Amino acid sequence: NAGVTQTPKFQVLKTGQSMTLQCAQDMNHEYMSWYRQDPGMGLRLIHYSVGAGITDQGEVPNGYNVSRSTTEDFPLRLLSAAPSQTSVYFCASRPVKSRVHQPQHFGDGTRLSIL
Amino acid sequence: KQEVTQIPAALSVPEGENLVLNCSFTDSAIYNLQWFRQDPGKGLTSLLLIQSSQREQTSGRLNASLDKSSGRSTLYIAASQPGDSATYLCAVIDPSYQLIWGAGTKLIIKP
Repeated sequence: NAGVTQTPKFQVLKTGQSMTLQCAQDMNHEYMSWYRQDPGMGLRLIHYSVGAGITDQGEVPNGYNVSRSTTEDFPLRLLSAAPSQTSVYFCASRPVKSRVHQPQHFGDGTRLSIL
Repeated sequence: KQEVTQIPAALSVPEGENLVLNCSFTDSAIYNLQWFRQDPGKGLTSLLLIQSSQREQTSGRLNASLDKSSGRSTLYIAASQPGDSATYLCAVIDPSYQLIWGAGTKLIIKP
């Protein structure tokens, strides 16, 4: 089982560029989410989805877009990269949003630097 | 607003010692509390999940406790090993079903 797969693992962008971080899971999980992790801070929720065609904003959604056309994939788009978006990005999934006692599965992260 | 705090931010102990990591949260209205392990350059691995109605959970050398009334959880690691070196994060699920995270404790076990 691959679990949650994130690509790329590393990326360097220039300010103003756009890009898409990919996330795919093969566990048929309905709930998927994107977090960013910054030094000295806990993970912060960017966007999440409770199923195909349904997305919602988390704590820090500005500058990011998401879509969920299939159960398996949940890409995160940076519209116009800014240095403040330099971070490590994690994608996670679990069976359904309301099944709170099911632990989340995480990808290995994408390390993104904006110059 | 729920806030989760982990103290200390870093901890270094000799191999073989028993140790305790702390996690505190400000709002007792939680569904559960989870402990995760993060290795450098890797994602997060779930270690233990304690439901709000439970007091503790055990897995091997790990024991996690939960005291909702005081807003505290501890992760006890027995007979520490160099392979236990990692960052340990705690997170609570709040009534909106979202995980609220602490910043983590970086643990170093010295051989």
